[in-house]
Amino acid sequence: AQKVTQAQTEISVVEKEDVTLDCVYETRDTTYYLFWYKQPPSGELVFLIRRNSFDEQNEISGRYSWNFQKSTSSFNFTITASQVVDSAVYFCALSEAARAGNTPLVFGKGTRLSVIA
Amino acid sequence: EAQVTQNPRYLITVTGKKLTVTCSQNMNHEYMSWYRQDPGLGLRQIYYSMNVEVTDKGDVPEGYKVSRKEKRNFPLILESPSPNQTSLYFCASSLSLNSPGGYTFGSGTRLTVV
Repeated sequence: AQKVTQAQTEISVVEKEDVTLDCVYETRDTTYYLFWYKQPPSGELVFLIRRNSFDEQNEISGRYSWNFQKSTSSFNFTITASQVVDSAVYFCALSEAARAGNTPLVFGKGTRLSVIA
Repeated sequence: EAQVTQNPRYLITVTGKKLTVTCSQNMNHEYMSWYRQDPGLGLRQIYYSMNVEVTDKGDVPEGYKVSRKEKRNFPLILESPSPNQTSLYFCASSLSLNSPGGYTFGSGTRLTVV
């Protein structure tokens, strides 16, 4: 069965610090997709990134970077030089491609990030 | 603007009074889904739809119904709401099952059943 674990429930950092949010996943499929979503205090879910299981290249987008390692089943998310606007709950999610007829996103329980000015 | 629109954003209702939460997307997406978000439990899928007139249960379907009569709309129906359905609900859509764009979520509906 698929499972996503975000061991860090809450993290607080001071503005301009770097912070890494951990995500460990479990799946029996060889083809799957990993996602990160941001949920700011306003409540909506904002798509950040999607990675498929065949693409282990790390990705950088501005201050955001993602480290995908199949060997450790991890898909960690780093924010460089954090800002107050980064304060949100961040969800890691997994979707198995082989699940017939439905590829639901299975979410981790989320990590609440607070960036203090 | 491409978006998923949910209504209402907030709703307080009484036990047993039927209600419908609407969801509409303007992106011609085939796949739509409903999730509920609860503290400590994260988001869990309620129902999903692969296309018009094709719907199926997710992980927590009890107490809910859905319909997909048109591609753009996917309403969530609570025939007889109970307090344990108090939650934050999200509708999501994607172009197809494995769309590289991921899922687009609505802004959420915060439901309180008293």
